[in-house]
Amino acid sequence: GIQVEQSPPDLILQEGANSTLRCNFSDSVNNLQWFHQNPWGQLINLFYIPSGTKQNGRLSATTVATERYSLLYISSSQTTDSGVYFCAVEDSGAGSYQLTFGKGTKLSVIP
Amino acid sequence: SAVISQKPSRDICQRGTSLTIQCQVDSQVTMMFWYRQQPGQSLTLIATANQGSEATYESGFVIDKFPISRPNLTFSTLTVSNMSPEDSSIYLCSVGSLATDTQYFGPGTRLTVL
Repeated sequence: GIQVEQSPPDLILQEGANSTLRCNFSDSVNNLQWFHQNPWGQLINLFYIPSGTKQNGRLSATTVATERYSLLYISSSQTTDSGVYFCAVEDSGAGSYQLTFGKGTKLSVIP
Repeated sequence: SAVISQKPSRDICQRGTSLTIQCQVDSQVTMMFWYRQQPGQSLTLIATANQGSEATYESGFVIDKFPISRPNLTFSTLTVSNMSPEDSSIYLCSVGSLATDTQYFGPGTRLTVL
């Protein structure tokens, strides 16, 4: 099956700093999503981004499908950004919406 | 986006018992999924819950251990059977949106098996 690797595994930021999270995947994908899991366990969909660039407030994401990677940018980080960020992909050969998740990047934003 | 609720939100169970988790969606959805997240780990797909037919299980998951029901387009249950401490995890249901090509997750059920 498709492999999804995220880096870095852990990241500690001072409030106000910027960061870039990376997701590499091993095969072509129909679907790529970024999720934020808050400290209470709730998964929030951030972006659906199989290709191209999207922005939502302080967050933006870019996927270069031909090179099989995606980047999530967090600017002016806040303590509420803390949690785990997951990249998930749908293999183009798999069934609809069957997502394979990376291991996540655990982000801690300190005041 | 879909609004998804799960019951119970958490439970502590004894080994050898079974627990049924409910997932309710506020709109009719074709695709509903069950995931497991073991402590400190990522999410793993258990099965796709199909309305009107048996669930489709991923490698490593079997119907006898994780029976699933999908009686209609807004509701599904996952049972964790004959539990052992290794079943301690967060269990999440999710739905796919054809309109937005995104997947939405319920709040999860945090299960601890003693």
